[in-house]
Amino acid sequence: EDQVTQSPEALRLQEGESSSLNCSYTVSGLRGLFWYRQDPGKGPEFLFTLYSAGEEKEKERLKATLTKKESFLHITAPKPEDSATYLCAVQAGNYGQNFVFGPGTRLSVLP
Amino acid sequence: NAGVTQTPKFQVLKTGQSMTLQCAQDMNHEYMSWYRQDPGMGLRLIHYSVGAGITDQGEVPNGYNVSRSTTEDFPLRLLSAAPSQTSVYFCASRSGFSGNTIYFGEGSWLTVV
Repeated sequence: EDQVTQSPEALRLQEGESSSLNCSYTVSGLRGLFWYRQDPGKGPEFLFTLYSAGEEKEKERLKATLTKKESFLHITAPKPEDSATYLCAVQAGNYGQNFVFGPGTRLSVLP
Repeated sequence: NAGVTQTPKFQVLKTGQSMTLQCAQDMNHEYMSWYRQDPGMGLRLIHYSVGAGITDQGEVPNGYNVSRSTTEDFPLRLLSAAPSQTSVYFCASRSGFSGNTIYFGEGSWLTVV
């Protein structure tokens, strides 16, 4: 069964304090791994897609990396506006039809 | 460009009542789906559609019905609401069955009392 877990469940950082969020997955036939940002009261917003081990993507203070078993979302010198829940999802299945989402990591960045 | 639009944003129902959550997308996407999001759990797929006239069940379909008469619209019907259906519901679309970027609506907060 395809599964995605995320850790930690919640993370509090001081502004400027860099850290990483983890997404671990077990899936047959990975088609892609996705990171989404979700603000309170909003729908998830797409951030990155990673397709193969060793791949990296960057956007402002965020960098996503992928290995064969997990992905990391590195946050460098975060700001309060980076506070959100970050969701990880994997696309799998013979035709890429299955998406499995993790429960998310709730990030709070304090000024 | 509105993307994926859901209504209503908030709804309170009594047990046994029925209602429809509306969803529309203006990106001409073939694939649309409904998810529910509960605390501590990932988004779970309720129903999906790969095109007009074609729907199928996801992971948690019981108590919900869907139909897809047009490419743009994909309503979700709760037949007889139960407290276990208290949740946040998200409509989503992507460009095809294997299309990989999912676009989400803003969510519908449903409370069943």
